[in-house]
Amino acid sequence: SAVISQKPSRDICQRGTSLTIQCQVDSQVTMMFWYRQQPGQSLTLIATANQGSEATYESGFVIDKFPISRPNLTFSTLTVSNMSPEDSSIYLCSAVTYDALVGGYTFGSGTRLTVV
Amino acid sequence: GDSVTQMEGPVTLSEEAFLTINCTYTATGYPSLFWYVQYPGEGLQLLLKATKADDKGSNKGFEATYRKETTSFHLEKGSVQVSDSAVYFCALRPNSGGGADGLTFGKGTHLIIQP
Repeated sequence: SAVISQKPSRDICQRGTSLTIQCQVDSQVTMMFWYRQQPGQSLTLIATANQGSEATYESGFVIDKFPISRPNLTFSTLTVSNMSPEDSSIYLCSAVTYDALVGGYTFGSGTRLTVV
Repeated sequence: GDSVTQMEGPVTLSEEAFLTINCTYTATGYPSLFWYVQYPGEGLQLLLKATKADDKGSNKGFEATYRKETTSFHLEKGSVQVSDSAVYFCALRPNSGGGADGLTFGKGTHLIIQP
């Protein structure tokens, strides 16, 4: 399965600022996703990162708040914009190879964000 | 919409005890089902999966059987070790006709194994 490098691993940010999280995969993958894991909660899908086009967002998430880029098949970024303490979470990147049912979904190690 | 419900934790067991973590789901059609594990300080790792009814996924002594009739995918292990202490997530992927969708996760079950 693919190996994902995600950075930064953690950050402490001031409210009102923005943070960009990077996700690099070691092989070409068909799909990339971004999730949020709020403290004590499960993972919630934010959006599907589409290569060369706008991301597809889940209900409750919007592009102005979470702009996503995917310029090629192995790299994506998620920006958390105009941050507030409620954005404090772990953000995870995930990727799936062509045959998702065989390979499963691979996850990055996550970015632990604290907004103060 | 799709949802996954799993037993609340923490679950505390003694070493060599039998483990069951319950997971049930709500989804249309025939989703694929997964168990992921998150060890302390590490990222999510795929533990096992099943793609159709009656399939049994297994790995590292863990097993789970896809039960369509009860919409369940319970995780079991016959004899747990201290090293199994982790958070376990049940998840599903919708049956969307061949595309790859994001996963829907349960809330996670924190498992603590005492020596």
